[in-house]
Amino acid sequence: SQQGEEDPQALSIQEGENATMNCSYKTSINNLQWYRQNSGRGLVHLILIRSNEREKHSGRLRVTLDTSKKSSSLLITASRAADTASYFCATGRRDTGFQKLVFGTGTRLLVSP
Amino acid sequence: NAGVTQTPKFRVLKTGQSMTLLCAQDMNHEYMYWYRQDPGMGLRLIHYSVGEGTTAKGEVPDGYNVSRLKKQNFLLGLESAAPSQTSVYFCASEQRGYIRSNQPQHFGDGTRLSIL
Repeated sequence: SQQGEEDPQALSIQEGENATMNCSYKTSINNLQWYRQNSGRGLVHLILIRSNEREKHSGRLRVTLDTSKKSSSLLITASRAADTASYFCATGRRDTGFQKLVFGTGTRLLVSP
Repeated sequence: NAGVTQTPKFRVLKTGQSMTLLCAQDMNHEYMYWYRQDPGMGLRLIHYSVGEGTTAKGEVPDGYNVSRLKKQNFLLGLESAAPSQTSVYFCASEQRGYIRSNQPQHFGDGTRLSIL
């Protein structure tokens, strides 16, 4: 399996704290994407970082990518209760036309008020 | 904007029954995907389509069939449901970009399917 591994599996923090999630993968990639999934809902795209980028920001999100270590991290700053969700990394490779996304098993984030 | 809409949202089937899951997108996306999500595992690709009239197998295609007769719709069929197909099914769509371009996928809210 080429599935990504996420760490930690679960994370519990207080509002206002920062949350960091890590993702490791095994193969070469074109990009790495992070998605959020609220309970009972579909995945929502958060941020995409290309293989030639090292860091990317979007609002309170900061993503880093280290292709030499085949790893990425997602930092959520000043977390809010509304950030409670599962977060998935997905590595993207475009083969013959379509983009193959390989998802990790996710990190469950609980932000307490 | 509805985005990606999946119907039904929930379904319970008996072993051996058949059913079709419908996915519709209103973003004029070329690519569409069907995934299944099981506890403790990431999403796994069942089938995908790169355009109207074309489909291809993904990572776990056995027991499923698909059709893409219209660009906006992607149907997933279970001909003879088995308990191992109990899962949450997600459809996604993606805009066609340049070769090797990087695009996000847009997901529906899923269909929760139980096979008894």
